[in-house]
Amino acid sequence: GNSVTQMEGPVTLSEEAFLTINCTYTATGYPSLFWYVQYPGEGLQLLLKATKADDKGSNKGFEATYRKETTSFHLEKGSVQVSDSAVYFCALSDNYGQNFVFGPGTRLSVLP
Amino acid sequence: NAGVMQNPRHLVRRRGQEARLRCSPMKGHSHVYWYRQLPEEGLKFMVYLQKENIIDESGMPKERFSAEFPKEGPSILRIQQVVRGDSAAYFCASSPRPSGGPSGANVLTFGAGSRLTVL
Repeated sequence: GNSVTQMEGPVTLSEEAFLTINCTYTATGYPSLFWYVQYPGEGLQLLLKATKADDKGSNKGFEATYRKETTSFHLEKGSVQVSDSAVYFCALSDNYGQNFVFGPGTRLSVLP
Repeated sequence: NAGVMQNPRHLVRRRGQEARLRCSPMKGHSHVYWYRQLPEEGLKFMVYLQKENIIDESGMPKERFSAEFPKEGPSILRIQQVVRGDSAAYFCASSPRPSGGPSGANVLTFGAGSRLTVL
């Protein structure tokens, strides 16, 4: 079955540092890929998505590129802020936009 | 344009009681997913429903847990005879009806969650 693997956290960075959170997936066909973010005490919010190979999703300074050759969708941000502290989930859905699978989440803490 | 509405936000039950969690999907969304999140852990898929149908319940415990999404009204996740291990945040998400072929456009929209505490 489909699966998503993320780097284990927690990740602790200083403000303005560069962020990478690795995500790799196993899937048949042509999945769509997502990053969701969960702030403390809240539900998950969509951060960005990519629907086909070589697509780049971007939002709020975060980027991720759908790499089919390496089955990866790594999340990056050039300069993190304290307000980016949250848990980040990589996810995929199947060809037909169903059967969403989430990674275990990576907790990010950004220190001032 | 309300998002996914879950209630109650917080629920406290004693062991052996029943918990009912409700989820109203976004307007125009006909598919509902329930996930459980234990403290400091990731999301665990429980069940996927559309109106009057359970599509996939492979993540539901075999006993005490049930879910429905009636033709009218919210989706309900029901936990009978709760135990301490049921204490968790339960998240509902909704999506539009998927297309018949490769779409990639479907996105899950999550509610704020219902936090169940079993004493």
